[in-house]
Amino acid sequence: EVQLVESGGGLVQPGGSLRLSCAASGFTFSTYAMSWVRQAPGKGLEWVSAISVSGSVPYYIDSVKGRFSISRDNAKNTVYLQLNSLRAEDTAVYYCAKEEGHTTGWLYFGNWGRGTLVTVSS
Amino acid sequence: QVVLTQSPSASASLGASVKLTCTLSSGHSSYTIAWHQLRPEKGPRYLMKINSDGSHSKGDGIPDRFSGSSSGAERYLTISSLQSDDEADYYCQTWATGWVFGGGTKLTVL
Repeated sequence: EVQLVESGGGLVQPGGSLRLSCAASGFTFSTYAMSWVRQAPGKGLEWVSAISVSGSVPYYIDSVKGRFSISRDNAKNTVYLQLNSLRAEDTAVYYCAKEEGHTTGWLYFGNWGRGTLVTVSS
Repeated sequence: QVVLTQSPSASASLGASVKLTCTLSSGHSSYTIAWHQLRPEKGPRYLMKINSDGSHSKGDGIPDRFSGSSSGAERYLTISSLQSDDEADYYCQTWATGWVFGGGTKLTVL
């Protein structure tokens, strides 16, 4: 059974930092690209960042470029999201998601974690 | 850029059926979409993907009560024999050299 378990969320002041982790199990982690998707309070889902299978190619939504950094450790089956210079508008539940469809060219999220809440407030 | 449009809310009675709609923007009626269910405290769950011809493939363990169909630029998710557990937000998603989500539909089971 595929499992994605996020951790690392919490309350942080504006300008602060957090490191989110997503521990994966139940599939060959090193062969899947991974993403982080967030949901702000009362809002819809928003893709935030993705990382290639090898970890060499990261992708980011414009609003987090230069502040967030995604990485992965295939030996530990874990993907990370480093959140720096946090703003109130980054407050959200952050979900880890397993990407599917790279062999066909049409991508979707095949599995999700339960999420971890990040609250940016003074 | 493709845009996905969903009604903000829907409701139906326990045991009844409901059909949720995701509409693709003009010029994108051939796109495949995926449906995801977001239940409180449980995180999202992938339900199925639906092609323009109405063919669809479901995620692991998704009950037969969930089905998909298509007509023109519209992609549908039909849930039959509604259960209280089906009360959730439902999002459609597509890929167009970037991730695109609809605004979500909040389903209330009466």
